[in-house]
Parts: sequence; C-alpha cells; structure tokens
Amino acid sequence: EVQLVESGGGLVQPGGSLRLSCAVSGFTVGSNYMSWVRQTPGKGLQWVSVIYSGGTTYYADSVKGRFTSSRDNSKNMLYLQMNSLRAEDTAVYYCARGVSTGGPSGNWGQGTLVTVSS
Amino acid sequence: SYVLTQPPSVSVAPGKTAMITCGGNNIGRKSVHWYQQKAGQAPVLVIYYDGDRPSGIPERFSGSNSGNTATLTVSGVEAGDEADYYCQVWDSSSEHVVFGGGTKLTVL
Repeated sequence: EVQLVESGGGLVQPGGSLRLSCAVSGFTVGSNYMSWVRQTPGKGLQWVSVIYSGGTTYYADSVKGRFTSSRDNSKNMLYLQMNSLRAEDTAVYYCARGVSTGGPSGNWGQGTLVTVSS
Repeated sequence: SYVLTQPPSVSVAPGKTAMITCGGNNIGRKSVHWYQQKAGQAPVLVIYYDGDRPSGIPERFSGSNSGNTATLTVSGVEAGDEADYYCQVWDSSSEHVVFGGGTKLTVL
C-alpha cells in the first residue's frame, strides 16, 4: 500500500527555519517525482517544489533561494528545508508522488501545518 | 508565468451534470490533471492526462481539453461530490507546476 506521511510542522518565528519530512512506503522515493504543495487555510493549492528521480530540483519563485528539497533514498524519505520563513509561508504542506515530468500526482500525504508568527 | 483560471463556484442539483472549466492560453496543447479536495482532506486525483480516470474513480467523472479551455464534467452529481476541484498543468517553459485557483462544487 502506498503511504506518504508528513511531519515536522509547527510554530516558528519569522526569519526562522524548519525542516519538513515525508516518510514514504509502498514505493521508492528515488524512483519517483516528488513534489511539495502547500495550501493556506481556506485558500487554494500552491506548488512549492519538485525533485526528479535524477535529483534535479525546481522551485516556485516565491520560495526559490529559501527552500531546499532533498531526499534520502536509504531511508525512503523526502525533506523540505525551509529557511528565512515569512508569515506568508503559513500553510498546510503536502508531499505528493508523481511518476513523470508533466504527469499527475497520484498519491498525497495528509499534510503538516506550518505557522509562521511571532 | 502560466495562469489557469477557474470559476470560484459551481452549483448543481443532485442528478444533474456539473461542468467545471479551467482556462489557459492554448491549454489544449498541455496535459491537464484534475484533483478533488473534500473539506479537511488531502487532494485526490480524479482525472489525469485530460480525460483518463484513476482506478476507483466513478465513470461519472470525465474530462476534455481543447483550445483555451479544459473541462471537468461530473454527471449524475451526488451529494458526496461536493468538494473543491483544482486543475493542474506542467508549464515546460518555466519548469513549474501550475494549479488553477479552484472551484467549489455545491450540490443543491
């Protein structure tokens, strides 16, 4: 059974850092296209980043230079390192699995809430 | 950057057909995916590559894509279909995933 479970969310002050984790089972994280998508409470979905099976990463303009997506194939884990956090980064963060460039995200985690506030 | 435009809301009576549009410049040249998100839950893929259905998704859900508009059609709408629906494409020029703003489907 495919499962994705996010963790690491919480309350952080503006300018602070947080690392989100996504534990994967039922497939190999290194063989898939893994995305992070966020959703501000009551708002729509916003793509954050993607890491390809080959390791190439891409980021939304709003987080480029501040967020870094990585993975640990030995642990079957996906990570999102978030630095220089801003109030507008407050959202539920989802990890999602895709299998090809331009393809859909067929599996999603339940999300983890990040709140940036003083 | 590429922009996808969806109507904020669509209302339909039970048993009728709901059509949710997703507008974008020459979107017919891109592959469109649709997600359903019920309150408090993660998104679920309901249509991929314009009109394919994942296993477990009822045949009542269908999709089309041509010109500047992609459409998600839900036939014989049921109360359980009430949710937010999002379209999504891959913008190869920017290497960005793009989501539409979402449409709230209300079953009257």
